[in-house]
Amino acid sequence: AQSVTQLGSHVSVSEGALVLLRCNYSSSVPPYLFWYVQYPNQGLQLLLKYTTGATLVKGINGFEAEFKKSETSFHLTKPSAHMSDAAEYFCAVSVDDYKLSFGAGTTVTVRA
Amino acid sequence: GAGVSQSPSNKVTEKGKDVELRCDPISGHTALYWYRQSLGQGLEFLIYFQGNSAPDKSGLPSDRFSAERTGGSVSTLTIQRTQQEDSAVYLCASSRTGGISQPQHFGDGTRLSIL
Repeated sequence: AQSVTQLGSHVSVSEGALVLLRCNYSSSVPPYLFWYVQYPNQGLQLLLKYTTGATLVKGINGFEAEFKKSETSFHLTKPSAHMSDAAEYFCAVSVDDYKLSFGAGTTVTVRA
Repeated sequence: GAGVSQSPSNKVTEKGKDVELRCDPISGHTALYWYRQSLGQGLEFLIYFQGNSAPDKSGLPSDRFSAERTGGSVSTLTIQRTQQEDSAVYLCASSRTGGISQPQHFGDGTRLSIL
């Protein structure tokens, strides 16, 4: 069964520092992978997705992720954190062509 | 508005009562999803509607949960005889068509609290 594991439930970074959120997947078929962000009391917003093709995927708000099949990973990065990046981030993998299976989430705090 | 709309935004009810949660998808979106977000279980898929096809109800946790989608648009998630473990945020999402290549757009959710 397809699933994802997010390493680290909380990440704290300084403003301007690199943001790195880790996600590893388990899938018996080539996966479709996603990163979503959730701000307090809001729904999920899609940051980026990997389907096929280029393994480095660029998303909104300066985020990008790289699909590494050999490592079964899809880590999310942003070179320079901004205060507005404080939120919860979810990695997800597609299941059965339409369902999403989500990781447990990583909460990001940004220190001034 | 142009986004997915859910109502109510918050619902507090007593154990044993029935509740109805509503979702208005983005106009023209044929696929609609319900998810549940709870502290213990994280984000879980509940049910999927696509056009006139039979819904995928495989994620519904018990027969106290049901959902319908009328006219291919608005959807209602009903929980009968609510239990305290039903307390969670219920998220609705829609996409232009079915299939994972279409991004899912989420509403802000309904926060359900069972006393």
